[in-house]
Amino acid sequence: ETGVTQTPRHLVMGMTNKKSLKCEQHLGHNAMYWYKQSAKKPLELMFVYSLEERVENNSVPSRFSPECPNSSHLFLHLHTLQPEDSALYLCASSQSAGVSKNIQYFGAGTRLSVL
Amino acid sequence: AQKVTQAQTEISVVEKEDVTLDCVYETRDTTYYLFWYKQPPSGELVFLIRRNSFDEQNEISGRYSWNFQKSTSSFNFTITASQVVDSAVYFCALSHYSSASKIIFGSGTRLSIRP
Repeated sequence: ETGVTQTPRHLVMGMTNKKSLKCEQHLGHNAMYWYKQSAKKPLELMFVYSLEERVENNSVPSRFSPECPNSSHLFLHLHTLQPEDSALYLCASSQSAGVSKNIQYFGAGTRLSVL
Repeated sequence: AQKVTQAQTEISVVEKEDVTLDCVYETRDTTYYLFWYKQPPSGELVFLIRRNSFDEQNEISGRYSWNFQKSTSSFNFTITASQVVDSAVYFCALSHYSSASKIIFGSGTRLSIRP
């Protein structure tokens, strides 16, 4: 079993749909992250949670809504997305969010296509 | 400003050749960490190495080696005797002490190893 699991692996949705991405980590970490990876762009950090509290929100549109019910689970709720939101969404976890040496461990991502 | 530059967008070599992936970074911090990650076609970013700013010793792990030079702000990655399984996108990244939850990723180098 991998340390960070993301579901679903692939998702196709219309612009009016509501869907959620799920991330689960089995590493006992206290920090979790959402990243967006678009073609030909560097990874973009979207949200950071530390001990279930959001500590970072990098000017992400409100159509993306994160939720962290406990330190092992992270969700990204999606509604009324735009075609430019099509991307690979990666979840990561680390021991804590406040230490620069922390290694982030990534899931395999959800490939999202918005039609 | 913090920045990571991977000038090589794509590299293609024949199996068993050696290949070096370049990484140049910018930071005003004196304490920082550098990372390399591998992203195979399956999508997840796989952690390869972490190096702190005070340790300039080169590191070797099997066929992989890393050359960290503070004088040129570079952290290059060499694969010796490349194999087809090394085909992936490789990311260099920087985390800095002043904003510990953020990792700045380079834009990645797509490495293709031809049989």
